[in-house]
Amino acid sequence: GAGVSQSPSNKVTEKGKDVELRCDPISGHTALYWYRQSLGQGLEFLIYFQGNSAPDKSGLPSDRFSAERTGGSVSTLTIQRTQQEDSAVYLCASSLGPGGAYNEQFFGPGTRLTVL
Amino acid sequence: KQEVTQIPAALSVPEGENLVLNCSFTDSAIYNLQWFRQDPGKGLTSLLLIQSSQREQTSGRLNASLDKSSGRSTLYIAASQPGDSATYLCSPRGSTLGRLYFGRGTQLTVWP
Repeated sequence: GAGVSQSPSNKVTEKGKDVELRCDPISGHTALYWYRQSLGQGLEFLIYFQGNSAPDKSGLPSDRFSAERTGGSVSTLTIQRTQQEDSAVYLCASSLGPGGAYNEQFFGPGTRLTVL
Repeated sequence: KQEVTQIPAALSVPEGENLVLNCSFTDSAIYNLQWFRQDPGKGLTSLLLIQSSQREQTSGRLNASLDKSSGRSTLYIAASQPGDSATYLCSPRGSTLGRLYFGRGTQLTVWP
Protein backbone atom coordinates (compact mmCIF):
# COMPACT_ATOMS: atom_id res chain seq x y z
CA GLY A 1 0.00 0.00 0.00
CA ALA A 2 0.90 3.65 -0.07
CA GLY A 3 1.67 3.89 3.61
CA VAL A 4 2.03 1.91 6.80
CA SER A 5 -1.28 0.54 8.00
CA GLN A 6 -2.22 -0.79 11.41
CA SER A 7 -5.20 -2.66 12.71
CA PRO A 8 -7.30 -2.37 14.69
CA SER A 9 -7.29 1.39 15.11
CA ASN A 10 -8.82 0.99 18.56
CA LYS A 11 -8.94 -1.97 20.90
CA VAL A 12 -10.64 -2.18 24.26
CA THR A 13 -10.00 -5.30 26.28
CA GLU A 14 -10.39 -6.60 29.77
CA LYS A 15 -7.47 -7.10 32.10
CA GLY A 16 -5.99 -10.56 31.69
CA LYS A 17 -7.00 -11.05 28.07
CA ASP A 18 -4.56 -11.47 25.20
CA VAL A 19 -4.47 -9.01 22.29
CA GLU A 20 -2.88 -9.00 18.85
CA LEU A 21 -1.95 -5.84 17.00
CA ARG A 22 -1.14 -5.91 13.30
CA CYS A 23 1.15 -3.81 11.14
CA ASP A 24 1.44 -3.76 7.35
CA PRO A 25 4.60 -1.92 6.31
CA ILE A 26 5.23 -0.04 3.09
CA SER A 27 5.88 -2.52 0.29
CA GLY A 28 9.59 -3.12 -0.17
CA HIS A 29 10.60 -1.87 3.26
CA THR A 30 12.82 -4.44 4.92
CA ALA A 31 12.91 -2.88 8.37
CA LEU A 32 9.90 -2.67 10.68
CA TYR A 33 9.65 -1.11 14.13
CA TRP A 34 7.21 -1.07 17.04
CA TYR A 35 6.98 1.82 19.50
CA ARG A 36 4.65 2.58 22.39
CA GLN A 37 3.34 5.93 23.53
CA SER A 38 1.69 6.02 26.92
CA LEU A 39 -0.48 8.95 28.00
CA GLY A 40 1.74 11.91 28.79
CA GLN A 41 4.89 9.96 27.99
CA GLY A 42 7.34 10.03 25.14
CA LEU A 43 7.73 7.45 22.44
CA GLU A 44 9.23 4.22 23.72
CA PHE A 45 11.01 1.80 21.39
CA LEU A 46 9.88 -1.82 21.69
CA ILE A 47 11.42 -3.94 18.93
CA TYR A 48 12.66 -3.80 15.37
CA PHE A 49 12.81 -6.36 12.58
CA GLN A 50 15.19 -6.65 9.68
CA GLY A 51 13.42 -9.09 7.40
CA ASN A 52 11.89 -11.70 9.68
CA SER A 53 14.58 -11.44 12.33
CA ALA A 54 14.52 -9.17 15.37
CA PRO A 55 18.07 -7.96 16.04
CA ASP A 56 16.91 -5.62 18.80
CA LYS A 57 14.02 -6.49 21.08
CA SER A 58 15.49 -4.86 24.10
CA GLY A 59 12.55 -2.49 24.48
CA LEU A 60 9.92 -5.16 25.13
CA PRO A 61 8.83 -4.41 28.70
CA SER A 62 8.15 -7.96 29.85
CA ASP A 63 7.83 -11.53 28.67
CA ARG A 64 4.11 -10.91 28.17
CA PHE A 65 5.09 -9.00 25.03
CA SER A 66 6.15 -10.77 21.85
CA ALA A 67 6.26 -9.95 18.18
CA GLU A 68 6.78 -11.77 14.95
CA ARG A 69 7.11 -10.92 11.32
CA THR A 70 6.40 -13.27 8.48
CA GLY A 71 7.33 -13.14 4.81
CA GLY A 72 9.34 -10.01 5.47
CA SER A 73 6.10 -8.09 5.51
CA VAL A 74 3.26 -8.16 8.06
CA SER A 75 4.12 -8.03 11.75
CA THR A 76 2.02 -8.93 14.77
CA LEU A 77 2.62 -7.63 18.29
CA THR A 78 1.04 -9.86 20.91
CA ILE A 79 0.41 -8.88 24.51
CA GLN A 80 -0.58 -11.71 26.81
CA ARG A 81 -2.49 -11.32 30.06
CA THR A 82 -2.93 -7.60 29.51
CA GLN A 83 -2.54 -5.20 32.42
CA GLN A 84 -3.91 -1.69 32.80
CA GLU A 85 -0.42 -0.24 32.43
CA ASP A 86 -0.33 -1.69 28.90
CA SER A 87 -2.87 0.94 27.85
CA ALA A 88 -1.15 3.10 25.25
CA VAL A 89 -0.97 3.90 21.57
CA TYR A 90 1.14 1.31 19.76
CA LEU A 91 2.86 2.71 16.70
CA CYS A 92 4.46 0.80 13.87
CA ALA A 93 7.00 2.21 11.42
CA SER A 94 8.93 0.90 8.44
CA SER A 95 11.99 1.95 6.46
CA LEU A 96 13.98 0.72 3.49
CA GLY A 97 16.68 -0.52 5.85
CA PRO A 98 17.57 -0.39 9.53
CA GLY A 99 20.14 2.30 9.71
CA GLY A 100 22.65 4.56 8.08
CA ALA A 101 22.15 8.04 6.81
CA TYR A 102 19.24 7.64 4.47
CA ASN A 103 16.77 5.31 6.09
CA GLU A 104 13.81 7.46 7.01
CA GLN A 105 11.13 5.82 9.15
CA PHE A 106 7.50 6.14 8.09
CA PHE A 107 4.85 5.68 10.75
CA GLY A 108 1.42 4.15 10.74
CA PRO A 109 -1.62 5.74 12.44
CA GLY A 110 -1.27 3.59 15.54
CA THR A 111 -3.51 1.28 17.55
CA ARG A 112 -5.01 2.74 20.70
CA LEU A 113 -5.18 -0.02 23.31
CA THR A 114 -7.32 0.42 26.40
CA VAL A 115 -7.20 -2.22 29.12
CA LEU A 116 -10.11 -2.00 31.55
CA LYS B 1 22.11 6.05 25.12
CA GLN B 2 20.93 9.15 23.30
CA GLU B 3 19.05 11.65 25.48
CA VAL B 4 16.85 14.15 23.65
CA THR B 5 15.42 17.31 25.18
CA GLN B 6 12.88 19.60 23.56
CA ILE B 7 12.16 23.12 24.68
CA PRO B 8 9.60 24.52 25.21
CA ALA B 9 7.35 21.66 26.27
CA ALA B 10 4.31 23.70 25.22
CA LEU B 11 3.73 26.85 23.23
CA SER B 12 0.52 28.80 22.63
CA VAL B 13 0.60 31.67 20.16
CA PRO B 14 -1.73 33.73 17.94
CA GLU B 15 -1.59 32.96 14.27
CA GLY B 16 0.94 34.79 12.15
CA GLU B 17 3.84 34.51 14.57
CA ASN B 18 7.21 33.07 13.60
CA LEU B 19 8.14 30.24 15.94
CA VAL B 20 11.29 28.54 17.18
CA LEU B 21 11.27 25.00 18.54
CA ASN B 22 14.46 23.69 20.08
CA CYS B 23 15.92 20.21 20.28
CA SER B 24 19.14 19.18 21.99
CA PHE B 25 20.76 15.76 22.14
CA THR B 26 23.63 14.29 24.12
CA ASP B 27 25.37 12.12 21.52
CA SER B 28 26.54 14.28 18.64
CA ALA B 29 27.70 11.29 16.56
CA ILE B 30 24.57 11.30 14.43
CA TYR B 31 23.89 10.55 10.78
CA ASN B 32 20.81 12.72 10.52
CA LEU B 33 17.94 14.22 12.47
CA GLN B 34 14.28 13.95 11.70
CA TRP B 35 11.47 16.31 12.74
CA PHE B 36 8.00 14.85 13.04
CA ARG B 37 4.54 16.21 13.60
CA GLN B 38 1.94 14.30 15.61
CA ASP B 39 -1.71 15.28 15.64
CA PRO B 40 -3.80 14.19 18.65
CA GLY B 41 -4.56 10.48 18.53
CA LYS B 42 -2.61 10.04 15.30
CA GLY B 43 0.69 8.62 14.15
CA LEU B 44 3.80 10.59 13.26
CA THR B 45 4.23 12.50 10.03
CA SER B 46 7.77 13.18 8.89
CA LEU B 47 8.35 16.88 8.24
CA LEU B 48 12.05 17.22 7.53
CA LEU B 49 15.08 14.96 7.48
CA ILE B 50 18.34 16.86 7.78
CA GLN B 51 21.59 15.01 7.15
CA SER B 52 24.61 15.49 9.41
CA SER B 53 26.48 17.10 6.51
CA GLN B 54 23.77 19.72 6.10
CA ARG B 55 23.22 22.81 8.19
CA GLU B 56 19.69 23.57 7.01
CA GLN B 57 16.73 21.94 5.33
CA THR B 58 13.61 23.75 4.18
CA SER B 59 10.10 22.68 3.28
CA GLY B 60 7.55 25.41 2.70
CA ARG B 61 7.16 27.45 5.88
CA LEU B 62 9.38 25.06 7.82
CA ASN B 63 13.12 25.36 8.18
CA ALA B 64 15.28 23.02 10.25
CA SER B 65 18.84 23.81 11.21
CA LEU B 66 21.38 21.43 12.66
CA ASP B 67 24.51 22.12 14.68
CA LYS B 68 25.84 18.63 15.10
CA SER B 69 28.91 19.54 17.13
CA SER B 70 26.89 21.27 19.80
CA GLY B 71 24.08 18.71 19.71
CA ARG B 72 21.33 21.11 18.73
CA SER B 73 18.62 21.43 16.12
CA THR B 74 16.03 24.12 15.66
CA LEU B 75 12.75 24.02 13.79
CA TYR B 76 11.51 27.38 12.56
CA ILE B 77 7.87 27.78 11.59
CA ALA B 78 7.12 30.94 9.65
CA ALA B 79 3.76 32.71 9.70
CA SER B 80 2.12 30.12 11.93
CA GLN B 81 -1.44 28.99 11.24
CA PRO B 82 -4.08 27.22 13.37
CA GLY B 83 -3.49 24.12 11.22
CA ASP B 84 0.05 23.96 12.58
CA SER B 85 -1.34 23.02 16.00
CA ALA B 86 0.18 19.65 16.88
CA THR B 87 3.02 18.10 18.85
CA TYR B 88 6.42 18.39 17.21
CA LEU B 89 9.03 15.71 17.89
CA CYS B 90 12.69 15.57 16.99
CA SER B 91 14.68 12.37 16.57
CA PRO B 92 18.43 12.23 16.04
CA ARG B 93 19.66 9.07 14.36
CA GLY B 94 23.03 7.67 15.35
CA SER B 95 24.91 4.47 14.77
CA THR B 96 22.46 2.27 16.64
CA LEU B 97 20.63 0.27 14.02
CA GLY B 98 16.89 0.30 14.12
CA ARG B 99 15.55 2.31 16.97
CA LEU B 100 14.96 6.02 16.96
CA TYR B 101 15.29 8.15 20.07
CA PHE B 102 12.72 10.85 20.60
CA GLY B 103 12.27 13.94 22.70
CA ARG B 104 9.04 14.44 24.64
CA GLY B 105 7.95 16.96 22.05
CA THR B 106 6.72 20.54 21.92
CA GLN B 107 2.95 20.85 22.03
CA LEU B 108 2.04 23.78 19.82
CA THR B 109 -1.29 25.59 19.80
CA VAL B 110 -1.88 28.36 17.27
CA TRP B 111 -5.11 30.24 17.83
CA PRO B 112 -6.94 32.39 15.31
